[in-house]
Amino acid sequence: GALVYQYPRRTICKSGTSMRMECQAVGFQATSVAWYRQSPQKTFELIALSTVNSAIKYEQNFTQEKFPISHPNLSFSSMTVLNAYLEDRGLYLCGGQGAGQNTLYFGAGTRLSVL
Amino acid sequence: QQKVQQSPESLIVPEGGMASLNCTSSDRNVDYFWWYRQHSGKSPKMLMSIFSNGEKEEGRFTVHLNKASLHTSLHIRDSQPSDSALYLCADDRGSALGRLHFGAGTQLIVIP
Repeated sequence: GALVYQYPRRTICKSGTSMRMECQAVGFQATSVAWYRQSPQKTFELIALSTVNSAIKYEQNFTQEKFPISHPNLSFSSMTVLNAYLEDRGLYLCGGQGAGQNTLYFGAGTRLSVL
Repeated sequence: QQKVQQSPESLIVPEGGMASLNCTSSDRNVDYFWWYRQHSGKSPKMLMSIFSNGEKEEGRFTVHLNKASLHTSLHIRDSQPSDSALYLCADDRGSALGRLHFGAGTQLIVIP
């Protein structure tokens, strides 16, 4: 079956520092990877959609300068939260989708706490 | 402003009862609606999708769609405690590799 492994599961960083999270697709080729943030208030926001061999599309209020994403092949994607502050806290989820598929397979999420 | 609105925010139903969850999009370009379920501490898992007007049934789960009003609903009959979870609705703007926009979810609690 299709799975997405996401790590780390939890991380704590000091305010102003950066942290990186990674996703590994297993059992399918992740042609596109979507990164989401689920905030403490439970809103579920799309950060960006990355498609191999295409430009990464960031949603309003999210930028490459703050959330740089790497998607070098069909099984791996990473995202970094640069200069993390309190408002960046939440559960970050990656979802992988194969070409022609209509299902997004989610990782278990990376919970970011900022001190 | 969220483009996908879900209601209610939370719902408590007795075991064996019917749970009805609602979702409305504000984007006329929507092609598909998706329902995902997220158990506490777990990743969201896809439940059902719908793109045609009408209803679609899979076991105890039924999804309705009214494209004119961009409204979809999820109904769970004979609810079980294991159905307790956050139910997320997402719309898909129809590109080949769509960007799903999720609502804030409905927290369902099924009481034994």
